[in-house]
Amino acid sequence: ELKVEQNPLFLSMQEGKNYTIYCNYSTTSDRLYWYRQDPGKSLESLFVLLSNGAVKQEGRLMASLDTKARLSTLHITAAVHDLSATYFCAVPYSPGDSNYQLIWGAGTKLIIKP
Amino acid sequence: GAVVSQHPSWVICKSGTSVKIECRSLDFQATTMFWYRQFPKQSLMLMATSNEGSKATYEQGVEKDKFLINHASLTLSTLTVTSAHPEDSSFYICSARVWGVRAYEQYFGPGTRLTVT
Repeated sequence: ELKVEQNPLFLSMQEGKNYTIYCNYSTTSDRLYWYRQDPGKSLESLFVLLSNGAVKQEGRLMASLDTKARLSTLHITAAVHDLSATYFCAVPYSPGDSNYQLIWGAGTKLIIKP
Repeated sequence: GAVVSQHPSWVICKSGTSVKIECRSLDFQATTMFWYRQFPKQSLMLMATSNEGSKATYEQGVEKDKFLINHASLTLSTLTVTSAHPEDSSFYICSARVWGVRAYEQYFGPGTRLTVT
């Protein structure tokens, strides 16, 4: 059974600082997804990481994937208040003949203070 | 990018009544849609996978007679919460899967907040 763990689950930081969110998963997967959720809203796709060593950047966010370590990181550079949200990682899983589905991390609630 | 709509965005209903939530892919066809529920401050919980033209596959612990899913076309899936009770109050999110550049991508609807009184 695939398990996805995120840490930290909660992060409060000052604007201008850098920080990293980690996503570990328990079985082999060659891709990983990052999503953002604002309070009371649905999910917005941030990154699709498709291979070992994949790195993608969008503004102040950069995501990477190490499939050998089964680890993805979401790095925030010089945080700004607008990045306050909950961030989820998700890993695809197709157990046997069952339907493909995404297995979700618990989410990291990020609060960025002015 | 691909757009998924949900209707209604919020609904309040009385205990014992049924509520239907619609999920539409607006600018693409989706053979597979997913239904999730999310409790406050928690992650997403997959309820069922809906494939166009066939019966939905429900996750363990999800009552298929209570949460009726119909995927009648490539752009529409519906979730009906039958005989709703207060414990069914939650945020319901649908998602449509489409093949992207090199992998499947999932796009999410805006969610439906259900409150059962």
